[in-house]
Amino acid sequence: QVQLQQWGAGLLKPSETLSLTCAVYGGSFSTYYWSWIRLSPGKGLEWIGEINHSGTTKYNPSLKSRVTISVDTSKNQFSLKLMSVTAADTAVYYCAREMAIGLAYFFDQWGQGTLVTVSS
Amino acid sequence: DIVMTQSPLSLPVTPGEPASISCRSSQSLLHSNGYNYLNWYLHKPGQSPHVLIYLASNRASGVPDRFSGSGSGTNFTLKISRVEAEDVGVYYCMQTLQTYTFGQGTKLDIK
Repeated sequence: QVQLQQWGAGLLKPSETLSLTCAVYGGSFSTYYWSWIRLSPGKGLEWIGEINHSGTTKYNPSLKSRVTISVDTSKNQFSLKLMSVTAADTAVYYCAREMAIGLAYFFDQWGQGTLVTVSS
Repeated sequence: DIVMTQSPLSLPVTPGEPASISCRSSQSLLHSNGYNYLNWYLHKPGQSPHVLIYLASNRASGVPDRFSGSGSGTNFTLKISRVEAEDVGVYYCMQTLQTYTFGQGTKLDIK
């Protein structure tokens, strides 16, 4: 049974850098792409970006200039950094596994979510 | 970006009755391979979202058969044949043809 456990700072001031990490327990880490997704009252669900075990990344163009996703295969972990946060970045952030079945791609395992609040 | 538009945004349903949610995309999600790159998710209160349907009409593992997906191109529908109390939550459609985008969500609750 695969479990994703995430952690990171929950309260940030404007202009600071958001930093979250997701650890994957059970299953294969190298077979999948791993994503970050956020849920905010204003924008709903928003895909942030993804990474695989080789470090190949893909980002949402709307956030690309501020986002870095990295991987540590020795620990089966991947991380999110979002620079220069504003109140608009206040959201619940989720890590998720991207399943590929043939030509289908969907998120089949999710972390528990981390509420990140940006406030001065 | 492909914009996903759901309706209705709020859906009160009597247990045992059917329910239907519409999702429209600003561009066709039908790939040249014949598949529609459209998923449905349910976000229950206090939980993380989970997938219901992928490729527009394929139920994910463990999803009850009262859930079904249909549609092609730019118009898609999620149907629940008989709503149960455990089905409350927010339903999202999501496209995976280009940079992933979600609909704004449909909140289903029990009358």
